[in-house]
Amino acid sequence: GAVVSQHPSRVICKSGTSVKIECRSLDFQATTMFWYRQFPKQSLMLMATSNEGSKATYEQGVEKDKFLINHASLTLSTLTVTSAHPEDSSFYICSAPQGDRGYGYTFGSGTRLTVV
Amino acid sequence: GNSVTQMEGPVTLSEEAFLTINCTYTATGYPSLFWYVQYPGEGLQLLLKATKADDKGSNKGFEATYRKETTSFHLEKGSVQVSDSAVYFCALSDRAAGNKLTFGGGTRVLVKP
Repeated sequence: GAVVSQHPSRVICKSGTSVKIECRSLDFQATTMFWYRQFPKQSLMLMATSNEGSKATYEQGVEKDKFLINHASLTLSTLTVTSAHPEDSSFYICSAPQGDRGYGYTFGSGTRLTVV
Repeated sequence: GNSVTQMEGPVTLSEEAFLTINCTYTATGYPSLFWYVQYPGEGLQLLLKATKADDKGSNKGFEATYRKETTSFHLEKGSVQVSDSAVYFCALSDRAAGNKLTFGGGTRVLVKP
C-alpha cells in the first residue's frame, strides 16, 4: 500500500536553531501534503497544506515565517521549524491523500521535536 | 465549518469487554468518515472508513456505520484485547473543504488483562 516515510522520528535541538522534517511518498505521487501538530494527549491540529509547485496554505494562527513548508517535488514535502523555542516542542505528523476524493490518507509515523 | 465530536476518555475496560466510542459530526457537504488509531509514540493508522450513508466500515473486529440521519459514526468492538489499548480518532473529510481531514479530540482506551 501507499507509504509516507517521515524523518526524523525524534529530534532534540537547542533553542534558536532550525529543524527540518521530511516526508516522502514512497510509492505514489503526493501532490498535496497536510502537516499536523499534536500536543500531548490532544488531537491533531492542521497547520498547513503544501502543494507541489505552489505556495503552502497555512491555517489561521500558524506563523508562516516560523513553519516553512516546501513541496519540492511530487514525492517530497518538508517542514522547517525556524528559530525553535521550547513551546514548539510537539509531535508533528504529515499526511498525504490518495486521489482527489478524500477516500484515503496515508500518515507519516510522526516526528517528536523537543526544544531545550 | 466542519467539526467532529467524540466522547472523552480515558475509557478503561477489561479484556473481552464490549467497546463503544461515540462520534458525531457536522459537515457542510457529503463527508467521508474515518476512524484512526494511534499507538503510543506512533503516527496514525487508518482503522476503517465509510464513504457514504449507511456504509459500514470494519477491520480487526471493529465496526462503524455511517448514519446520516443522526450524523454519527460510532465505533464498536465486541471483545477488546489488551493490544487494542490506544487512542482512537474519529475524522471526516469533505471534498467541499479541499479534502482536509477534521479530527475529533481523540479517545484514549486502556484495556486491562
